[in-house]
Amino acid sequence: DTGVSQNPRHKITKRGQNVTFRCDPISEHNRLYWYRQTLGQGPEFLTYFQNEAQLEKSRLLSDRFSAERPKGSFSTLEIQRTEQGDSAMYLCASSGLAAYEQYFGPGTRLTVT
Amino acid sequence: SQQGEEDPQALSIQEGENATMNCSYKTSINNLQWYRQNSGRGLVHLILIRSNEREKHSGRLRVTLDTSKKSSSLLITASRAADTASYFCATDAGGSNYKLTFGKGTLLTVNP
Repeated sequence: DTGVSQNPRHKITKRGQNVTFRCDPISEHNRLYWYRQTLGQGPEFLTYFQNEAQLEKSRLLSDRFSAERPKGSFSTLEIQRTEQGDSAMYLCASSGLAAYEQYFGPGTRLTVT
Repeated sequence: SQQGEEDPQALSIQEGENATMNCSYKTSINNLQWYRQNSGRGLVHLILIRSNEREKHSGRLRVTLDTSKKSSSLLITASRAADTASYFCATDAGGSNYKLTFGKGTLLTVNP
C-alpha cells in the first residue's frame, strides 16, 4: 500500500535560503492539499490542487511561497527567502474526487535558523 | 485561522476508561471529521459525520454532532495505551474544494 509520501522528512536551512518540498499523493487521487502545522496547533490550510490546477490559495501563502502540481501527479512546495517564522511541519494530503476523507503524508519538518 | 476549539486541551486517563473530547466550531459546516495524530503514524482519519447526522459509531468510537450548538464530541470507549495521541476535529464548510479547517486538538494520554 503506497500512501502519501513526502520528502525530505526534515529540512534545516538558514534564513534567506530557498527550500523545496515534494509530495507524492496516492496515485488515483485527484485532489491534493498542503497544510502547515506549528507546535501545539492544528494544521492550517495553505493551498489546494484538483489534478494540475491550483484552485485555492490561503492568505497564509505569501508571495514567497509557490506550489505546483505538474501533470496532476506529485506536487512541490517552494519557499523562497525563508524566515524563522516559516519553521513548521508542512503536511500534504490527498483525496479522491468525491471523497471528504483526506489521507495525510508524514510531513516535512522545516527548521529555519 | 482555526475554525474551532477542542476541549479539554489535555486529558490523562487509565487504560480501560472512556475518553470524551469536545469540539466547538464557528461557521456552518458540510461535515465534521475527527483525526488522530501521533509521531508514529502521522495524521489519520478516524470518522466523519455529516451535518444532517446526529450520532455515528465506528468500533470503539462514537461521535455526536449538534449543529444548533455548533459542537461535536468524540467518545473513545475502553481506551488502550495505543490510543495515546492528539485528536483533532476538522470541519468542511462546503464548496467544491473540501478543504478542512482544524481545531487545536486534545492531547490524550492513556496510562497502562
